[in-house]
Amino acid sequence: SQQGEEDPQALSIQEGENATMNCSYKTSINNLQWYRQNSGRGLVHLILIRSNEREKHSGRLRVTLDTSKKSSSLLITASRAADTASYFCASVADRGSTLGRLYFGRGTQLTVWP
Amino acid sequence: DARVTQTPRDKVTEMGQEVTMRCQPILGHNTVFWYRQTMMQGLELLAYFRNRAPLDDSGMPKDRFSAEMPDATLATLKIQPSEPRDSAVYFCASGLSLDRRATEAFFGQGTRLTVV
Repeated sequence: SQQGEEDPQALSIQEGENATMNCSYKTSINNLQWYRQNSGRGLVHLILIRSNEREKHSGRLRVTLDTSKKSSSLLITASRAADTASYFCASVADRGSTLGRLYFGRGTQLTVWP
Repeated sequence: DARVTQTPRDKVTEMGQEVTMRCQPILGHNTVFWYRQTMMQGLELLAYFRNRAPLDDSGMPKDRFSAEMPDATLATLKIQPSEPRDSAVYFCASGLSLDRRATEAFFGQGTRLTVV
């Protein structure tokens, strides 16, 4: 399988704390993306980091990418109860006919307690 | 406000019946994905189209599933005959893939299929 894996599978924290989720992937990538899914809803794109980038910020989100280790991390700072959701990383294939194909991991279920 | 539209939102059907799910990708996007999501398997890629051509349907049970893009504004996923194990949420997503750059995917709200 070319799917990635998120770690941890579940994370429970208090409001105000930071949440860190990790992702590993297997293929050569064009970019890596993080998505959020609220229960019963579709996935929503959060942030994209290209293979030649090492770190990217968007609001309270910080993503890092280490292509030598084939890993990425998503940091959510000053978490809020509204951040409770499942978070998925998706590695995007880089080669030929598979360019643009998204490989999803199993996700991290984040629960933020008020 | 561009969005991916999926119909129906919910579908309950009896085993053996044909099910057709439809997706309208975002105008101008050239990639379309069909995913199935279950608690046990997570997100599974069923089909991947680029410029309406099927590139990868290796995750799709060929004996009962079929995916097509009759035109750039419509993608369909059909199950015939349906079985209880097909019960899941089916997502369609679209994106843009040009040369060596690929953008984010935009997901529809999904079709929740229940086969009884």
